[in-house]
Amino acid sequence: GAGVSQSPSNKVTEKGKDVELRCDPISGHTALYWYRQSLGQGLEFLIYFQGNSAPDKSGLPSDRFSAERTGGSVSTLTIQRTQQEDSAVYLCASSYGLGSPTDTQYFGPGTRLTVL
Amino acid sequence: QKEVEQNSGPLSVPEGAIASLNCTYSDRGSQSFFWYRQYSGKSPELIMFIYSNGDKEDGRFTAQLNKASQYVSLLIRDSQPSDSATYLCAGGWSNDMRFGAGTRLTVKP
Repeated sequence: GAGVSQSPSNKVTEKGKDVELRCDPISGHTALYWYRQSLGQGLEFLIYFQGNSAPDKSGLPSDRFSAERTGGSVSTLTIQRTQQEDSAVYLCASSYGLGSPTDTQYFGPGTRLTVL
Repeated sequence: QKEVEQNSGPLSVPEGAIASLNCTYSDRGSQSFFWYRQYSGKSPELIMFIYSNGDKEDGRFTAQLNKASQYVSLLIRDSQPSDSATYLCAGGWSNDMRFGAGTRLTVKP
């Protein structure tokens, strides 16, 4: 596609429910990143996928968070038993993943998650 | 510990002035630095990147990198009200990039 796409754009859920957020990266990009951005805050790294390698999960805040990337393309971020503190904008980014100094991440529009 | 620090602002400048945004980083191994602009309610968009010491100019924007001082800056010349946004500094490697908290810039007409 022309850019990174994410769905849904907005998600309102009740505390304790599970949610799935989807990211479709730019075609040809092998690297995919998930970030979280709380209101007025910077970007918090969550997880990184590079090709078929094991993902870097070092940023996931708890075991309620998980992500997968099927076929090296689309990724799904799952939050189980959501809590109110999970409310934030979840941003996905992708890059060519070449490891060069100029490898740039391009961001999707984000999913705004509200946990009531 | 890899950290990227930004002066959180907010920064306010009059239209036509030069806006100076600053960023420091802790990891001397950091290779590249990126400046993103984020309008309220929108996702970050890339302005420019820099990985060599010195200045890099792109239109009204100039990025400056000083690896000895571990310092990156972004200058916006002839600031316009449309430049009002939060500016995010990011540094590191492509697969290990750390973002600063962002500096909110307001350009007043």
